[in-house]
Amino acid sequence: TAGITQAPTSQILAAGRSMTLRCTQDMRHNAMYWYRQDLGLGLRLIHYSNTAGTTGKGEVPDGYSVSRANTDDFPLTLASAVPSQTSVYFCASSDSATHEQFFGPGTRLTVL
Amino acid sequence: GQNIDQPTEMTATEGAIVQINCTYQTSGFNGLFWYQQHAGEAPTFLSYNVLDGLEEKGRFSSFLSRSKGYSYLLLKELQMKDSASYLCAVSDSNYQLIWGAGTKLIIKP
Repeated sequence: TAGITQAPTSQILAAGRSMTLRCTQDMRHNAMYWYRQDLGLGLRLIHYSNTAGTTGKGEVPDGYSVSRANTDDFPLTLASAVPSQTSVYFCASSDSATHEQFFGPGTRLTVL
Repeated sequence: GQNIDQPTEMTATEGAIVQINCTYQTSGFNGLFWYQQHAGEAPTFLSYNVLDGLEEKGRFSSFLSRSKGYSYLLLKELQMKDSASYLCAVSDSNYQLIWGAGTKLIIKP
């Protein structure tokens, strides 16, 4: 099984442009998450979804939106990118029994 | 507020033992996780503690004291491949993970 896949692997984006980061899991996990990871700050939760059709805001949601149309996919959209959104973005999903989170390989985004 | 504290960086020698500490203050507690993250890669699960005591898994052990808000990860017989960041995370009352900033472990020959 692939687990969790993310696309693209990396991207350079001009400020003001929009972009969608894709995330797909094949483990049938109900809960999914988007984090950003910046040096010295650790993982910070952007948005989450406890089940298909529902989403919630995390610690740093401003400038980002998500949707959860089905169990497998959880895209993250930046409507108008700013340089402070330069980061590594990780998508994760969790097992409902153990709450262990499984991570995708990450997307490295640079906003210029 | 919610807070997870762990040392920023530690250095140890190949073959030795190292203990990485984590203290936490969170709204609710549903378990504590340790993850390993090699540079440029995604975090991967190492251990989970929900009850007080020591959980051993090969060269790695994790300890939890809920009354003290304290955990440690113990790595024995260190190998060069153990050079990585180690992330402590607490599952809060909503089962969301609150993450520490990570401890970068440097292994020297």
